[in-house]
Amino acid sequence: GAVVSQHPSRVICKSGTSVKIECRSLDFQATTMFWYRQFPKQSLMLMATSNEGSKATYEQGVEKDKFLINHASLTLSTLTVTSAHPEDSSFYICSASQGVSRGYTFGSGTRLTVV
Amino acid sequence: QKEVEQNSGPLSVPEGAIASLNCTYSDRGSQSFFWYRQYSGKSPELIMFIYSNGDKEDGRFTAQLNKASQYVSLLIRDSQPSDSATYLCAGLNPGSARQLTFGSGTQLTVLP
Repeated sequence: GAVVSQHPSRVICKSGTSVKIECRSLDFQATTMFWYRQFPKQSLMLMATSNEGSKATYEQGVEKDKFLINHASLTLSTLTVTSAHPEDSSFYICSASQGVSRGYTFGSGTRLTVV
Repeated sequence: QKEVEQNSGPLSVPEGAIASLNCTYSDRGSQSFFWYRQYSGKSPELIMFIYSNGDKEDGRFTAQLNKASQYVSLLIRDSQPSDSATYLCAGLNPGSARQLTFGSGTQLTVLP
């Protein structure tokens, strides 16, 4: 089945620094990947849709200059949280699909803690 | 606004019982629905998807879709303590974006 690898699984950073999260589709090509954020005891909130070779599409209320998305190849999308602040601490999860009939596979998630 | 609503729970059932999880959606254009299971601190994992009216069975799991009433449900037969998790219902938004809209999730506890 489809495998989506996400790294790092956990990261602690100081306020004001930037953090890059990688999402790779290991056994299939993904022209589109999705980035979600999940706060404790809440559901997944879509942040942006990452499109290979073009600009990402951000959901309303998500700052594109703060959450930089790069989808330079068919197997890799990255999310960079720039100038991180404690309120950015959350669980970030990416997903991709081989096709609707196969569902959407999620990466293992990245627990970001900004101190 | 596209919305997916789930019965908020939490839901507790004894081991061996049937757990019933329900979800309604507002966008009649949504055609495909997914049930994910999420253990605490982990990312969601796909249990089933359904896009045709009626029932779809896979082992102990049965998904039901009623497009006229706009609801989706998941039944878990012979519930096990290992089924204890949060279950997320998601609808596929129609159109080219192919985005999923998630419900708020239902926390299920299966009591030994």
